[in-house]
Amino acid sequence: DAGVIQSPRHEVTEMGQEVTLRCKPISGHNSLFWYRQTMMRGLELLIYFNNNVPIDDSGMPEDRFSAKMPNASFSTLKIQPSEPRDSAVYFCASNLGGPGEKLFFGSGTQLSVL
Amino acid sequence: GESVGLHLPTLSVQEGDNSIINCAYSNSASDYFIWYKQESGKGPQFIIDIRSNMDKRQGQRVTVLLNKTVKHLSLQIAATQPGDSAVYFCAENRDPSGGSYIPTFGRGTSLIVHP
Repeated sequence: DAGVIQSPRHEVTEMGQEVTLRCKPISGHNSLFWYRQTMMRGLELLIYFNNNVPIDDSGMPEDRFSAKMPNASFSTLKIQPSEPRDSAVYFCASNLGGPGEKLFFGSGTQLSVL
Repeated sequence: GESVGLHLPTLSVQEGDNSIINCAYSNSASDYFIWYKQESGKGPQFIIDIRSNMDKRQGQRVTVLLNKTVKHLSLQIAATQPGDSAVYFCAENRDPSGGSYIPTFGRGTSLIVHP
C-alpha cells in the first residue's frame, strides 16, 4: 500500500482565495483525521471521520473551514476564504479505529497564505 | 501585545548515548499511549505504544515507561544514532464520546544527536 496520500504537497495562495486540500486514506481504514501543525499550537486535531461520517469537528477553527468525506477513499479540507493565519502544515491520517490503533500520516500539505 | 512562538523542548545527545524523552499527559482515563517520531518534512510515524494497564514495554532500542500515579510517560532510546534526530510526540487515545478514540498529541520534543 502506498500509505496515506495527500495533495498538493505545497500550496501558496493569496489571502481571500479558496484552498482545497485532498487526502486518500489507506485502503481498509475506516477512520480519517485532519490535523494542523504550527509552531505555536503543535498538532491540533481539526476533524475526525468514522466510516465517512464526521464524528468530532470541534477543532475546526471557524466556519471558513469545512471538510468532507464523500467515500471511503477520499476526503477534502477546504478553507474559504483563506487568511495568512491559516498558514501551517496540514496532515491527514487514517487508522482502523479502536483504542489502540496507531495513526498512519500522510506527508502533509505545506500551506502558505500571503 | 505580540504573541511569541513557543519553542520545542530540545534534547541534545552524543551518538551512542542513551536518550530519555518525557511526556506528561492529562487524562487519567486514556486507554493507550503512543509515541511518534517526526522527521523533517514528513508526517509523524509510529514508534511504540503502551496500554494503560502496563508499566513498561520494550521494542527494538526503545522502551516506554508509564507512571499512572503522576501521569507521566517516557521514551528511552538506547545507543542513540544520528538517524534518531527528529521531533518526538507522545499521544494519548481518549474516548470522550463512547467508542470514538481520538488521538491527542503533546507538544513534542526535539532530539538532536551529535555524531
